[in-house]
Amino acid sequence: GQNIDQPTEMTATEGAIVQINCTYQTSGFNGLFWYQQHAGEAPTFLSYNVLDGLEEKGRFSSFLSRSKGYSYLLLKELQMKDSASYLCAVGKDSNYQLIWGAGTKLIIKP
Amino acid sequence: ETGVTQSPTHLIKTRGQQVTLRCSSQSGHNTVSWYQQALGQGPQFIFQYYREEENGRGNFPPRFSGLQFPNYSSELNVNALELDDSALYLCASRNGQGILRFNDTQYFGPGTRLTVL
Repeated sequence: GQNIDQPTEMTATEGAIVQINCTYQTSGFNGLFWYQQHAGEAPTFLSYNVLDGLEEKGRFSSFLSRSKGYSYLLLKELQMKDSASYLCAVGKDSNYQLIWGAGTKLIIKP
Repeated sequence: ETGVTQSPTHLIKTRGQQVTLRCSSQSGHNTVSWYQQALGQGPQFIFQYYREEENGRGNFPPRFSGLQFPNYSSELNVNALELDDSALYLCASRNGQGILRFNDTQYFGPGTRLTVL
């Protein structure tokens, strides 16, 4: 079956660093995506990993280990506007569809 | 703003009714995917259209159907509405039908919030 697990909720302090983990078990793998979704809004693309290792993009970095079925999103220098849900999604094979986790709600405190 | 628009923004229907949701894709994008997102959950893939043909489908019953028009805009139709159909319906557009890659990023519309009473 398909399974993507993320923590339901995390809390962090403004200016700090937070790591959001994602583990997956899917039949077929064509990359892992991270999206940000503010309440009541559409998801917006953050990052894509298809090879093992770390991809850095400004304050956000994403890591992938295919052998472990594991990824994390690292957010540095947290800002209040980073309060949102962070969704991990895996690209499947033949149907080119994304399988999504339930999302991690990140709460930033001053 | 992603250039993907959806209508209506909100909709209230009763059980057994039918609904049509609309999506205009970003200019130059020929592929549209539809997702259902229940409250507190991640999106669930419904189906994907490429050049007016369905070329991928998730685990949704046949009462969920769609269309894509020559201008690549799309409709999602749901017949015989059930209470569990209450959700945010998202469409996402991109260019190309191949495996999703970095430069094939999907751009999501703002969604239609459907409430079934």
